[in-house]
Amino acid sequence: DTGVSQDPRHKITKRGQNVTFRCDPISEHNRLYWYRQTLGQGPEFLTYFQNEAQLEKSRLLSDRFSAERPKGSFSTLEIQRTEQGDSAMYLCASSLTSGLGQDTQYFGPGTRLTVL
Amino acid sequence: AQSVAQPEDQVNVAEGNPLTVKCTYSVSGNPYLFWYVQYPNRGLQFLLKYITGDNLVKGSYGFEAEFNKSQTSFHLKKPSALVSDSALYFCAVRDVDTGGFKTIFGAGTRPFVKA
Repeated sequence: DTGVSQDPRHKITKRGQNVTFRCDPISEHNRLYWYRQTLGQGPEFLTYFQNEAQLEKSRLLSDRFSAERPKGSFSTLEIQRTEQGDSAMYLCASSLTSGLGQDTQYFGPGTRLTVL
Repeated sequence: AQSVAQPEDQVNVAEGNPLTVKCTYSVSGNPYLFWYVQYPNRGLQFLLKYITGDNLVKGSYGFEAEFNKSQTSFHLKKPSALVSDSALYFCAVRDVDTGGFKTIFGAGTRPFVKA
């Protein structure tokens, strides 16, 4: 069990560019979550997958954001036409179904995005 | 709507003294409650959770937390703090009655443990 991994760890981009982040969950974890964390704040929920199905999306996830989990394993989060306000740490977490809402989420190290 | 409050951005404690990190929550239904710790440049690490049963929950690294339904609190405690406990601690809640998938985190509390 190698834990949740995220790639890249750091991304610097210019305003208006598109970026894509990848998350590899713990193997056999069927649930995957994306969060955004800004300085001085706790993680904010963005979206959630159960297997390949995206079941919930936050209002924070504007039309410029899209997430996929095509085969129920790794996931990608794409931000189109980045804005300076998108600068944040993007965290991925995974969990294994364990009763309604009881499962523990395990977090990756995050991808720090800086939009210039 | 769910919410979590960590009223202290920072707490100061001497090494060897008891450490308490406060958390209160608000949910419309029954809560599942979690504590995570974040070290610099690292993801969040799970410490402990309350689902049901005994109100006192024991977790990793000598931490424990007490669920108090009447006060809607879930304070994190450690009997004897270590310098290495200086990190960022997050309380989180899920509302069981709304499906339990969306987790709301507090803003975090940073204990400074002084040798």
